[in-house]
Amino acid sequence: EPEVTQTPSHQVTQMGQEVILRCVPISNHLYFYWYRQILGQKVEFLVSFYNNEISEKSEIFDDQFSVERPDGSNFTLKIRSTKLEDSAMYFCASRTQGTGVSYEQYFGPGTRLTVT
Amino acid sequence: AQSVTQLDSQVPVFEEAPVELRCNYSSSVSVYLFWYVQYPNQGLQLLLKYLSGSTLVKGINGFEAEFNKSQTSFHLRKPSVHISDTAEYFCAVSLIYNQGGKLIFGQGTELSVKP
Repeated sequence: EPEVTQTPSHQVTQMGQEVILRCVPISNHLYFYWYRQILGQKVEFLVSFYNNEISEKSEIFDDQFSVERPDGSNFTLKIRSTKLEDSAMYFCASRTQGTGVSYEQYFGPGTRLTVT
Repeated sequence: AQSVTQLDSQVPVFEEAPVELRCNYSSSVSVYLFWYVQYPNQGLQLLLKYLSGSTLVKGINGFEAEFNKSQTSFHLRKPSVHISDTAEYFCAVSLIYNQGGKLIFGQGTELSVKP
């Protein structure tokens, strides 16, 4: 069964450094998402991406964040200058276009980002 | 704004006992409703969803949920749990009119099934 993959599984970085989290969505999917979960808190929406542009972003997704689909398979989340409060589990998700039965988002296993 | 509340952060239960995980939502517009499960060291997996039609929805692994519009609830139930059901369960909503389909999650409920 096709699945969303994410690399790395765990990333440790120093405050102020740039990080890139990588995701490979399911191949025929057209909508892509990033969510994050700070330890002990809710899973929070960051951004959705469709047709090579951001379709929606949350207040969390400020100028320090960016997303890119550099080729036909990868979907990346970049944090330009990490802060301690960026430490979280980051989930990538994807889904097919359309509504109804195709509304399911498929999630990757997550990347745990630790900022020291 | 929309919000989702899962009333129990942890639910311990014995194997073969029934379980109910509670979820309430707040929204001024119509929503789709979802339950996701997260097993240790894995991503979120869809258990079931309510889009329209019958308010009783059956999902994978013997779980079901009932949409109650008047109480704005979408509680998850299983008549007899197994050790393997031990996981974190997340209730989520998506706004029907929102083509982007972002999910708004509750805090999660940790289900712990004991032998």
